[in-house]
Amino acid sequence: ETGVTQTPRHLVMGMTNKKSLKCEQHLGHNAMYWYKQSAKKPLELMFVYNFKEQTENNSVPSRFSPECPNSSHLFLHLHTLQPEDSALYLCASSPTGSNQPQHFGDGTRLSIL
Amino acid sequence: GESVGLHLPTLSVQEGDNSIINCAYSNSASDYFIWYKQESGKGPQFIIDIRSNMDKRQGQRVTVLLNKTVKHLSLQIAATQPGDSAVYFCAETFFGNEKLTFGTGTRLTIIP
Repeated sequence: ETGVTQTPRHLVMGMTNKKSLKCEQHLGHNAMYWYKQSAKKPLELMFVYNFKEQTENNSVPSRFSPECPNSSHLFLHLHTLQPEDSALYLCASSPTGSNQPQHFGDGTRLSIL
Repeated sequence: GESVGLHLPTLSVQEGDNSIINCAYSNSASDYFIWYKQESGKGPQFIIDIRSNMDKRQGQRVTVLLNKTVKHLSLQIAATQPGDSAVYFCAETFFGNEKLTFGTGTRLTIIP
């Protein structure tokens, strides 16, 4: 149990579908992150939220839309995805946004048909 | 651009032996480093961290060494066990930067 829960664990969707990934952290942290993990590539940071405010968008295509209603919950809304978006999407949280370890969930394995 | 790299993509170690995983970083401004372990089907798990005012830090069966002169980081795992088989990542950042820069990882396999 990492304290960061992601749902669903697996998702298969067509390119025209709309779906959402959910992340919830039970660690009392104030910063939350979305990462993309593809085979043989380093983890790619997508978005950062501090105290519910987005502080980083790492040039992510607009077909990925994050939402952070409070410091414990983070969503990633998906629409009109491409096959190259198939990857493991990881959520993380940390006490603050700087020089603190980030704690990860187990990810959502996303496959785009 | 700046990047974190790993010397070896794979490492096989006999059970009970010690293992050393290496990491080179290129950003001389980095002052905080983390090692993560990622098992199959799971997310990265925090193992140990070290700040640049230290050159060594020990945890339970793990030791992290930091050599700022050559910008090198290593993770030593003592008396390896089958459960240590995983991919290990190093990550770096600096104070005021909320981003972590990750390497591609080293796959450690423990041979029974």
